[in-house]
Amino acid sequence: AQSVTQLGSHVSVSEGALVLLRCNYSSSVPPYLFWYVQYPNQGLQLLLKYTTGATLVKGINGFEAEFKKSETSFHLTKPSAHMSDAAEYFCAVISSGSARQLTFGSGTQLTVLP
Amino acid sequence: EAGVAQSPRYKIIEKRQSVAFWCNPISGHATLYWYQQILGQGPKLLIQFQNNGVVDDSQLPKDRFSAERLKGVDSTLKIQPAKLEDSAVYLCASTTGLGNEQFFGPGTRLTVL
Repeated sequence: AQSVTQLGSHVSVSEGALVLLRCNYSSSVPPYLFWYVQYPNQGLQLLLKYTTGATLVKGINGFEAEFKKSETSFHLTKPSAHMSDAAEYFCAVISSGSARQLTFGSGTQLTVLP
Repeated sequence: EAGVAQSPRYKIIEKRQSVAFWCNPISGHATLYWYQQILGQGPKLLIQFQNNGVVDDSQLPKDRFSAERLKGVDSTLKIQPAKLEDSAVYLCASTTGLGNEQFFGPGTRLTVL
């Protein structure tokens, strides 16, 4: 079975500071990995995804994530936080079964301080 | 391109009452999902449809929850009777095929009193 662990349910950064949101996964086969963002009272929006190929993946709004197989990690980063980045972020892994279902982490609430 | 539509956006009911949620996926998307998102947790899959057939409903509490996707387009999720622990946001998502990017609707926030 696939699983995802997000370290830190709440992260606070100052505007302009580095954003680092941590995600570790467990998978018996090469995973597909995703980061989604959820703004208040809205659905989830895909930030970026890793399937195969280059391990450094760039997404929308200046975010990027690096797939590190040896560390089973897929941490999300952004060099300079903006107030509009305040939201909840979810890491997810897709299952290896035929149904190809997403398994989500518990989420990290990002607060950006002025 | 229109996104995934859901209604209602908010619903408040008493325990033991019934409630239904509606989802209209993106046109042409064959696969449709219903998720339950309890406050402070990530979304949990309830049921997955491929066209109008059920792919997986192993996590759907079938004693009280039911879902259908008639004609392979719109879908409804019903809870009867509701319990306090059903208070959550119910998200609908659709995709062109298994394993592809899922597009999420805004969700229905259910409060059971």
